Amino acid sequence: AQKVTQAQTEISVVEKEDVTLDCVYETRDTTYYLFWYKQPPSGELVFLIRRNSFDEQNEISGRYSWNFQKSTSSFNFTITASQVVDSAVYFCALYSGANNLFFGTGTRLTVIP
Amino acid sequence: GAVVSQHPSWVICKSGTSVKIECRSLDFQATTMFWYRQFPKQSLMLMATSNEGSKATYEQGVEKDKFLINHASLTLSTLTVTSAHPEDSSFYICSARDIAGVGYNEQFFGPGTRLTVL
Repeated sequence: AQKVTQAQTEISVVEKEDVTLDCVYETRDTTYYLFWYKQPPSGELVFLIRRNSFDEQNEISGRYSWNFQKSTSSFNFTITASQVVDSAVYFCALYSGANNLFFGTGTRLTVIP
Repeated sequence: GAVVSQHPSWVICKSGTSVKIECRSLDFQATTMFWYRQFPKQSLMLMATSNEGSKATYEQGVEKDKFLINHASLTLSTLTVTSAHPEDSSFYICSARDIAGVGYNEQFFGPGTRLTVL
């Protein structure tokens, strides 16, 4: 069975602080993909990253970085020097044998100016 | 990147009426489209998978007679909420899968439709 756990329901940080959003997943498939999406107040999902199960290399994109560790089934997302525009709900998602995306419950990030 | 549109972006209707939501892939063909529902402060829950030219596959607990899905072409899927009631008020999001490529086929999301039933 597939499962995505985002234990942090809400996080508040002060602008310029770093923040890490946790994601733990479960799947029996050996081939799978992990995603992070941002959902601002407008509601539209913004794709941030996709990672396949065979690529554990961490990735950095500007202020964003992702740490994928198969040993702990985690795919954590760090925002460095947070900004008010980062305030949104962030979803971690899993795609595997079920042939559709399975979303975590999301983490609401509030960046306080 | 690939673009998926939804129309309308928001709709308010009276209880008992039916509402149709369109999902279009604007610059690619999609054999498969997905419909999600998102209640306030909750996650996206898959309602159904829509395949072009065939009947949609509904997730457990989703009433197929209430949420009619039609995927008549490779660029258009529609979701009709029949006899809508206040509890159907939600944010409905569609996504479309590009048929090109091998391996994982990217899934692109529409901007969502906010339905409010009075």
